[in-house]
Amino acid sequence: GAGVSQSPSNKVTEKGKDVELRCDPISGHTALYWYRQSLGQGLEFLIYFQGNSAPDKSGLPSDRFSAERTGGSVSTLTIQRTQQEDSAVYLCASSRTGDLQGKLFFGSGTQLSVL
Amino acid sequence: AQTVTQSQPEMSVQEAETVTLSCTYDTSENNYYLFWYKQPPSRQMILVIRQEAYKQQNATENRFSVNFQKAAKSFSLKISDSQLGDTAMYFCASKQGGKLIFGQGTELSVKP
Repeated sequence: GAGVSQSPSNKVTEKGKDVELRCDPISGHTALYWYRQSLGQGLEFLIYFQGNSAPDKSGLPSDRFSAERTGGSVSTLTIQRTQQEDSAVYLCASSRTGDLQGKLFFGSGTQLSVL
Repeated sequence: AQTVTQSQPEMSVQEAETVTLSCTYDTSENNYYLFWYKQPPSRQMILVIRQEAYKQQNATENRFSVNFQKAAKSFSLKISDSQLGDTAMYFCASKQGGKLIFGQGTELSVKP
């Protein structure tokens, strides 16, 4: 597609369930980022993939959060045993290079609601 | 920890007037990039303007310009001739390592 695609756009789940959020970056973009945006808050960095390098996981808030990127393209963010405080918009972005001289292209996010 | 601070949670401006959004940052890097992003209700973040720290000249993009004060670590965004379509959340961001660190955002309302 022409832009970064995220699915689902909205997800409602029950506390304790696992969820998977998907991101399709722009074709050819080597860098992929996940951010979390809680209600009325800024963007909190979660994880960053650059090519075949080990991902920067320094922003993951707990071991319930994990992400993978298969074949250098699609990425999945998994949240295990969801809690109410996990409710937020999860944004994915990609860029042509990893050095941030290039522009980040964002998806429209997944709104996660944990009941 | 390296931070980005936006001290104005909300601002409003009349259509056609000028508004300035403030941002301060902290970084230990010698060369870095600063950004302003816009987030309309659609949630999709859009790059407004970018500044390279080693360039002394302030970046401009049509009605958008920045006032970059490197010594003060200040990076404000000026929007001239404000339009209704400028209504959105605006986020300041700085490069830290391989990732962007964002401020808390300023919600801008342009009033007719």
